[in-house]
Parts: sequence; structure tokens; C-alpha cells
Amino acid sequence: AQSVTQLGSHVSVSEGALVLLRCNYSSSVPPYLFWYVQYPNQGLQLLLKYTTGATLVKGINGFEAEFKKSETSFHLTKPSAHMSDAAEYFCAVTLNSGNTPLVFGKGTRLSVIA
Amino acid sequence: DGGITQSPKYLFRKEGQNVTLSCEQNLNHDAMYWYRQDPGQGLRLIYYSQIVNDFQKGDIAEGYSVSREKKESFPLTVTSAQKNPTAFYLCASSIDLAGPYNEQFFGPGTRLTVL
Repeated sequence: AQSVTQLGSHVSVSEGALVLLRCNYSSSVPPYLFWYVQYPNQGLQLLLKYTTGATLVKGINGFEAEFKKSETSFHLTKPSAHMSDAAEYFCAVTLNSGNTPLVFGKGTRLSVIA
Repeated sequence: DGGITQSPKYLFRKEGQNVTLSCEQNLNHDAMYWYRQDPGQGLRLIYYSQIVNDFQKGDIAEGYSVSREKKESFPLTVTSAQKNPTAFYLCASSIDLAGPYNEQFFGPGTRLTVL
């Protein structure tokens, strides 16, 4: 069965600094990978996804993630943090042949310091 | 506009009462889901439904019940058997459960407080 590990339940960065949120997955076959963002008291919103093709995926709000099969990783990055990026971020995985819901990581809360 | 609606946004109930949370989608999605969210615990799957008149238990189904009589609707009942019902509840839908069609779209959530 597939699984997702998000390293760091809380990450704090200064405004303008690089954002790096880590996600590692466990899967015996090529997965489909997703990053979601959740602002306080709201539902989750899709940031970006990897299905097939280019391994560097660009999403909304200047975020991007790179699928690295050799490292079983799908880390989320943004070159310059903005105060509005403060939120909770979830990584999720699924398989093409699967018949089960997405498996979500436990989430990483991003704080941005002025 | 297509999307998922959950009502109400905030819900208060007395201990021992059953309460039903509404979830409606107009995305024509086959699959629907209910999650519970507590501080610091991420998303926990309660129930999901892949098709009308069929649903499966998730990781924490005890004390909850669902129905799927229509494609658009997937209401969740929190029963008096649920020991700690106070939480944020999220509904989601997806085209299907396979591969890229498993991308989930979320509603705004309902915050349930049991007094």
C-alpha cells in the first residue's frame, strides 16, 4: 500500500526566503502525486499535481514541485515566501491501478515571519 | 459555478443528539468523501462512496453513518455513539478513484461543536 511522509509538522521562514516543504512517498509502482493548501477554517485547494510527463510541475501562487523517482520525493518549493503563504500544506499520493482514496500526509504548517 | 457546498458553516449541538451534515456537489463526480480534521492530526477518512447506493468505511467510521441516494449528495450523520464529535468536517469529491481521476475537490467545511 502507498504512504506519504511529510517531514516537519511546522516550518517557519522569513518573508522573501526560500520555502521548502518535504514529501516522501512509498509506492511499488509510479504514483500520482498532489500538493494541497489549506487556509484557516477553509477547505483544501489543489496547488499542483504530478501525473505523467515533465517531472518539474508548476502550480498556483508561484509554487513548484519536482518528482524524483530515485529519491521517492515530491518536495514543494517557492523561491520567495510571502506573508499570504502562511497555511497548512498537504502532500497526497495515489496509484493508477488503485481503487482507494488518496492517501494524505499529516500536513506541514508554514509560518512566514515579517 | 461548479463546486461543493457544505452547510452550515458552524453547527452547535447538545451532547447525545444526532446531527446531519450536508454535502452537495454539482461537478458530476462519481466519488465522494468525508474527512474529520482535528488540530495537529491532519485529515482522517470517515467514509467514502464510489457510486450511488454504495459506500465504504474509512479509518474512523465508528459513530458515523452516511447515505448516497443521489449522485450529488452525500450527507454525514454524527451519532450519539461518537465519543468526541467536536471537530472540523470536510467533504470532497473526485471523478473516480483511479489515478489522476482521484484528484479531490473540497468543500469549505463544517465546524461542529458539541456542548
